[in-house]
Amino acid sequence: GAVVSQHPSWVICKSGTSVKIECRSLDFQATTMFWYRQFPKQSLMLMATSNEGSKATYEQGVEKDKFLINHASLTLSTLTVTSAHPEDSSFYICSASPGAVNTEAFFGQGTRLTVV
Amino acid sequence: ELKVEQNPLFLSMQEGKNYTIYCNYSTTSDRLYWYRQDPGKSLESLFVLLSNGAVKQEGRLMASLDTKARLSTLHITAAVHDLSATYFCAVSGGSNYKLTFGKGTLLTVNP
Repeated sequence: GAVVSQHPSWVICKSGTSVKIECRSLDFQATTMFWYRQFPKQSLMLMATSNEGSKATYEQGVEKDKFLINHASLTLSTLTVTSAHPEDSSFYICSASPGAVNTEAFFGQGTRLTVV
Repeated sequence: ELKVEQNPLFLSMQEGKNYTIYCNYSTTSDRLYWYRQDPGKSLESLFVLLSNGAVKQEGRLMASLDTKARLSTLHITAAVHDLSATYFCAVSGGSNYKLTFGKGTLLTVNP
């Protein structure tokens, strides 16, 4: 199946700093990628839809100025958590799809963010 | 707003037993997914169900879809310890693969 690579796998940062997470589709092009957040023992919640060449679409309650999304190419989307706080500590997962009929969405390995 | 309800949320079962996890969703959808998640890991795709009456099987797991009832089931046959994980169903309501997830079922298979 298609491969989605996410980097880094884990990161620890100090409160007030910014962290960038990359999501790459390795063997297909993705005009749309998705960013999810998962708190411990909870389900995945969609944060935003990343659209290549245009602004991301954020879900209700997600601060677009805090979670900056850039989708500069058909294989790369980045999520930057700005001015991180301990409550931003979570597991962030991206997904992407080749987009052909009857194909599925593939998930990255996830990034464990810990803000201290 | 698309809502996905999964039950049970917690399932403890003995090896060798059978059980079913249920996934109900609120509005018409064209795709339903089942995923497995191990602790600290991302999601592993198990099944994609695309049409009414679809049934897919892989090893001890079998998934089915009833679009009229807006219900999918994940049936576990003769459970083994290696199946212990959290299982999520997710539903896509459009062509852009935006997914709404159920809360997940934490499955523990005891020897």
